[in-house]
This record gives sequence, C-alpha cells and structure tokens, in this order.
Amino acid sequence: GENVEQHPSTLSVQEGDSAVIKCTYSDSASNYFPWYKQELGKRPQLIIDIRSNVGEKKDQRIAVTLNKTAKHFSLHITETQPEDSAVYFCAAFKAAGNKLTFGGGTRVLVKP
Amino acid sequence: DSGVTQTPKHLITATGQRVTLRCSPRSGDLSVYWYQQSLDQGLQFLIQYYNGEERAKGNILERFSAQQFPDLHSELNLSSLELGDSALYFCASSVEEFLSYNEQFFGPGTRLTVL
Repeated sequence: GENVEQHPSTLSVQEGDSAVIKCTYSDSASNYFPWYKQELGKRPQLIIDIRSNVGEKKDQRIAVTLNKTAKHFSLHITETQPEDSAVYFCAAFKAAGNKLTFGGGTRVLVKP
Repeated sequence: DSGVTQTPKHLITATGQRVTLRCSPRSGDLSVYWYQQSLDQGLQFLIQYYNGEERAKGNILERFSAQQFPDLHSELNLSSLELGDSALYFCASSVEEFLSYNEQFFGPGTRLTVL
C-alpha cells in the first residue's frame, strides 16, 4: 500500500520567516495531494491541494510543489504568523482503492 | 463550522464494551469517511461510504464496522474495545465519491477513552 513520510516532525520558526514541510510517497499511482492544518483541539481543514498534472500551486502565503519523478511534494509557508502555529498533515490519494494516506504530521510553532 | 456533525463529543467506556459513534454529513454530501487519530498512529483512514454503499476500506479492524443509512447519516460501531482504541474519531463528508474531484469536510470528532 501507499506510504507517506513527512519531515520534519516539529518545526519552530520566527514570525516572518518561511516554513517548509516535505513529504515523500511510495506509490506512483497516487494523483492527488492535499495538505491539512489542524489547530489544537480542532478538526483538520484543507488548506491547499495539488493534482499530479500540476507542478506548483500557490494561494496567498502558502504554496505546494510536486515532483512526480522523485515522488515528493512540499508545503511552503511564507511570512509566517503566530496563527500559522498548528499541526500540518500531508496526504496522498490514489483513485484505485479510493484511499487517502496521511503523513505523520508536522507541529509548527511560530514564535513572535 | 464545517456542517458535519458528530455525536457524542466525548465517550468514556471500559475494555470489552461496545460503542456507536454517529455522523451526519453536510447537506448534499453523499460520501462519508471515518478516520482514527491517535498519538502513536497519527491520522488513519478507516472506511468510506458513498450513497449507502461501502466504497473503500483502510486500516479498519474486524472489531469495527460502519454503515450509512438512507438519510445518509453514518454510524461507526466499535466492539470488544481495547485500551489501544482510545483515540479521536473523525467523520468527514464530501459531495463526490473520489477525493481528487472534491474537498472533504471534517466533523469536530468524538474523543473515545477506553479505561
């Protein structure tokens, strides 16, 4: 089955700096890669996603890049703010089997 | 508020018992997904139903079962509970069957504690 590795597990950045989270996946058939943000005690919420026919997608301060050949994708947060502090999960979706596999999560702390 | 509701919010029970978690999807959503979030296993997909039928199965134990009713609400049944089943259980819903075509929205979760 699909295996998604996510690094780092924790990330501490100064407010205003950039944060980068990296994920690798094992199954080349995966074709959809969402990122979720989960604040403490809250539900996961989709913040950005990318499909396998696209290499990069941006939405204001967040961007995701995908390298299908290397089977890895990354989340970039620029100009970080304290409200960006949360756990971020990457995931990989494969239509065959219709399963979403999550990475282990990255706890991001933005220090003011 | 995502529009997905889950009850109960908290559940405390003993080992060996059986519990039922309930989920009501957003209005118009036909797909319901169940996830387990524990400290050591992270977020894991359990099972998906679409318009009343099972569509995908993840790492769901044989002691667990689910169903989706004609009004589209879903129930997750957990039996012969063990300490390791203590976790946050999320339900999510989406309009379409395949996630790559649409976003899923998570409910607030049910925190299950097995003593």
